[in-house]
Amino acid sequence: KAGVTQTPRYLIKTRGQQVTLSCSPISGHRSVSWYQQTPGQGLQFLFEYFSETQRNKGNFPGRFSGRQFSNSRSEMNVSTLELGDSALYLCASSPAGQETQYFGPGTRLLVL
Amino acid sequence: SQQGEEDPQALSIQEGENATMNCSYKTSINNLQWYRQNSGRGLVHLILIRSNEREKHSGRLRVTLDTSKKSSSLLITASRAADTASYFCATDRRGGSYIPTFGRGTSLIVHP
Repeated sequence: KAGVTQTPRYLIKTRGQQVTLSCSPISGHRSVSWYQQTPGQGLQFLFEYFSETQRNKGNFPGRFSGRQFSNSRSEMNVSTLELGDSALYLCASSPAGQETQYFGPGTRLLVL
Repeated sequence: SQQGEEDPQALSIQEGENATMNCSYKTSINNLQWYRQNSGRGLVHLILIRSNEREKHSGRLRVTLDTSKKSSSLLITASRAADTASYFCATDRRGGSYIPTFGRGTSLIVHP
């Protein structure tokens, strides 16, 4: 099976802009989670989607949003970008009912 | 705050030596997982140990769990240069969502 894919891999934006990141999970995986990784804060959970519904949410402002489509592909959007949003954004998928997560390579976002 | 915290933050060893890293957590858990991350890439799942297990092996990896001390250790035997990576423990919360909470990681460097 193909692994989790994320697009784009690298992105440069300026403050105030918005960005949309995409994640395609492993075929058959219905749960998709998003994480933000920074040197200062480590890996922080953003949200999880299952069957097109947001099932869990981390402590991030409303500027961070996401959605999941019927084919389980997911997107996350960050509006009004701030310098502190520069990070590696990781997507992970897992089969229903399993705790193990399979991560994509990440999208590295730089906000200038 | 992070649920799991790895120790040490950084570890530097020679090829062939064993590497031991520890994880401490705060609340009761259902399971604990270890992941590896090569520089700037996605995480790779290594091993999952459930709260009713005390030890688990996978190849050169040995994981122990002491729920009374709320701690786990990951031992990598006969380390190789390719083991150079960051290692994270991830815990869920008993009675809560199974979304894993990651520590800040141990950075392991194996010198050839």
